[in-house]
Amino acid sequence: EIVLTQSPGTLSLSPGERATLSCRASQSISSSYLAWYQQKPGQAPRLFIYAASIRATGIPDRFSGSGSGTDFTLTISRLEPEDFAVYYCQQYGSSPLTFGGGTKVEIK
Amino acid sequence: QVQLQESGPGLVKPSETLSLTCAVSGYSISSGYYWGWIRQPPGKGLEWIGSTYHSRSTYYNPSLKSRVTISVDTSNNQFSLKLSSVTAADTAVYYCARHGGGGSYGAIDYWGQGTLVTVSS
Repeated sequence: EIVLTQSPGTLSLSPGERATLSCRASQSISSSYLAWYQQKPGQAPRLFIYAASIRATGIPDRFSGSGSGTDFTLTISRLEPEDFAVYYCQQYGSSPLTFGGGTKVEIK
Repeated sequence: QVQLQESGPGLVKPSETLSLTCAVSGYSISSGYYWGWIRQPPGKGLEWIGSTYHSRSTYYNPSLKSRVTISVDTSNNQFSLKLSSVTAADTAVYYCARHGGGGSYGAIDYWGQGTLVTVSS
């Protein structure tokens, strides 16, 4: 099983600032089969990034994903008020599918 | 537009079997993609339970495999989850979802709204 470790657990930032979220895998993820999801309270997660760097439909370009192998990053270039939420990474290259523990991006 | 909707009891007694159904609209589940279940205990992270593919193959999380069954009803375009011998640790919001695009098992592109199942006597 591939274990995903997200850091930091909480990121306290102000609107307009840059956010950098990390996801580290316990073993290499084949073909960068890594996704990022945003989840707001009381809502289902929403797909933001897949294949490590491809934005899902409707996701603004201030969101970008990068990385390969075991180290992946989600960057939000300039935080908007609606971006404050919890973000999860997930690998889908091997079974069992696994998620990271999440990073909460909160308003400072 | 693909839509998924979970249904089932919100309260299950310990040692009994949790049963949920996911009704899918906007796409035929027999046409492809994986259809699966993910859960989230209150205030915690996400855990993949298992998925079915092409109504023929099923994949389960080894941590739950002995207690989980996922089945498909293609005539009603829905799939179901059964989790046996539940305990309080199985209390969670249960999501049904579609995945399969983007290679391998695919990222999860459609989610149900989720349904809270509480295990308590």
